[in-house]
Amino acid sequence: AQKVTQAQTEISVVEKEDVTLDCVYETRDTTYYLFWYKQPPSGELVFLIRRNSFDEQNEISGRYSWNFQKSTSSFNFTITASQVVDSAVYFCALSEVNTGTASKLTFGTGTRLQVTL
Amino acid sequence: DSGVTQTPKHLITATGQRVTLRCSPRSGDLSVYWYQQSLDQGLQFLIQYYNGEERAKGNILERFSAQQFPDLHSELNLSSLELGDSALYFCASSWAGARDMDQYFGPGTRLLVL
Repeated sequence: AQKVTQAQTEISVVEKEDVTLDCVYETRDTTYYLFWYKQPPSGELVFLIRRNSFDEQNEISGRYSWNFQKSTSSFNFTITASQVVDSAVYFCALSEVNTGTASKLTFGTGTRLQVTL
Repeated sequence: DSGVTQTPKHLITATGQRVTLRCSPRSGDLSVYWYQQSLDQGLQFLIQYYNGEERAKGNILERFSAQQFPDLHSELNLSSLELGDSALYFCASSWAGARDMDQYFGPGTRLLVL
């Protein structure tokens, strides 16, 4: 069975600080996909990134960066120079590959990030 | 805006009632997924449809059912509602092509059962 663990329930930082959100996953599949979603106070789920299990390259998108390490089954998310608008709940998710197509997402419990002035 | 639409946005009903939640996927997406988000269970996968056929089932109660229509929109039917069914219900869609694993979520339907 697949499992995603986000051990940090809540993180509070002051604006402009860097913050890293941890994600550890478990799967028996050799091919899988990892995702991060953002859920702002308005409630919608916003897709941030997908990473394939066969691609361990780190990725940077503006102030966001992701560190994927298969050896430790982790897919951590760092926000550099955090802003108040980054305040949200962030979910890490894992997807199995079902006959080569997208399949269900298994979500972690989320990390609530509070950025204050 | 993800391109996935869900109606209604909010729904308040009583125990024992039946409701229907509707989802229209992004243009071109063949796969539709339903998820439930509640305080005690978190975000849980309910069911997936691909081009009109059920593809996968998760923790979906027998009182719940879904279908995907020829125009690819989907409906989630919840019956004999209980207080514990109060939750945010999300629909997501993806193309389900070989290289497209990204699921885009609708704004959700917030269901309150009184």
